[in-house]
Formats: sequence, C-alpha cells, structure tokens
Amino acid sequence: SQQGEEDPQALSIQEGENATMNCSYKTSINNLQWYRQNSGRGLVHLILIRSNEREKHSGRLRVTLDTSKKSSSLLITASRAADTASYFCATDAGNYGQNFVFGPGTRLSVLP
Amino acid sequence: DAGVIQSPRHEVTEMGQEVTLRCKPISGHNSLFWYRQTMMRGLELLIYFNNNVPIDDSGMPEDRFSAKMPNASFSTLKIQPSEPRDSAVYFCASSYRPRGGRTKNIQYFGAGTRLSVL
Repeated sequence: SQQGEEDPQALSIQEGENATMNCSYKTSINNLQWYRQNSGRGLVHLILIRSNEREKHSGRLRVTLDTSKKSSSLLITASRAADTASYFCATDAGNYGQNFVFGPGTRLSVLP
Repeated sequence: DAGVIQSPRHEVTEMGQEVTLRCKPISGHNSLFWYRQTMMRGLELLIYFNNNVPIDDSGMPEDRFSAKMPNASFSTLKIQPSEPRDSAVYFCASSYRPRGGRTKNIQYFGAGTRLSVL
C-alpha cells in the first residue's frame, strides 16, 4: 500500500524563518492534504491540493505538488512560535475513506 | 458546532479489562474514522464507517477490537480483553461525503483518548 513519507522527521528553526517540509508517496493519488497536530491534540486540516493542481496558497502556507516525482512540499513563511507542532501529509488515492494514508509526520520547533 | 467529541480523554486500565471508547461526530457528517497513534507506528486507520455502515475494517488489529455505530451521532470502539500493547492515543474523526462527484475527504478530529493498559 502507498504511504506518505515526510522529510525531515524533525526541524528546528528560529521565529521569522521559513520552514519547508516534504512528503513523498508511492502511487497515484486524487489529492494530498496537510494536517497539523499540536501536542496532546487531534489533527487539524490545513490545506488540500488536487492531483491536477501544482501549487496552492493559504495565508502563510504554500503547498506544491509534483505528481511526476510523487512528492509535495509544505512551506510555512515567517514562522511563529505558535507554528510549533507536528505536520502530516495524507494521501487520498480515492474510494473515499479507503486508501487514505497519513505519513509519519515532521515535528517542527519554532524557537522564539 | 462543538466538533468531534471523544470520551474519556484518558483511560487507565489493567490488562484483561474491557475498554470502551466513545465518539460523537460532527452533526451532519456521514463518515467516521477510528485511528490509533503510537510513536512506533504513527497514525493507523482502524475502521471507517459511511452512513453508519462499516466499510473497511482491515486496520483492526485483531478480534479483541470491535467498533459499532448504532446511529449517526455515536460510535464506540471496544477492546476486550485489553493488553499493554494496546496503549496508544485513539482518535475519532468525521467527515461529510456527498453523493457522487469528486469528493474531498477532509477529516475533523477529536481530541483523542489516551489509553494506558497496565
């Protein structure tokens, strides 16, 4: 089965810097989503990019998708301490709930 | 809306005991997911319901695990008997799946139940 794999596993940056996280997957997808998880909390949906889209923006978030390389990246610009969390990509290969797989996540620490 | 509500938030039990986790999805959502999260295995999908019907339970680890959704506003995940290796955070998530068309499975998560089996 396919699985999103985030890279790096952990990232530590200073407040104000940009943070980039990558996600690779193995099979064709309908869409790819990014979620954030604060410590001790559930996951929160951030952004979805469809397979026919190459780039999408939402506030300080920018997501790219390269289906030829089966990879996606999440860029957080001008990071803040409140961005400290784990970030997960989720690949949706269709059939709704089936073939919907979360990667292991990237733990981001933004230092004040 | 209050979001997805899970109870209890924390559960500590002894090996061999029955554990029941509860979930109330967002009103109007017709799909419900149970996940288990551990450091070693990450986030694993256990079972997925659509319109109260179990669609895919291939992620349920073994017969000790069972899940029910008697109505659109309530679901349970039961472990009987529980074992120390079941210790994890269990999440419930819900989404709305419209009929037909290209659907986006955007999931809304509860705060989770942290289960410790001693």
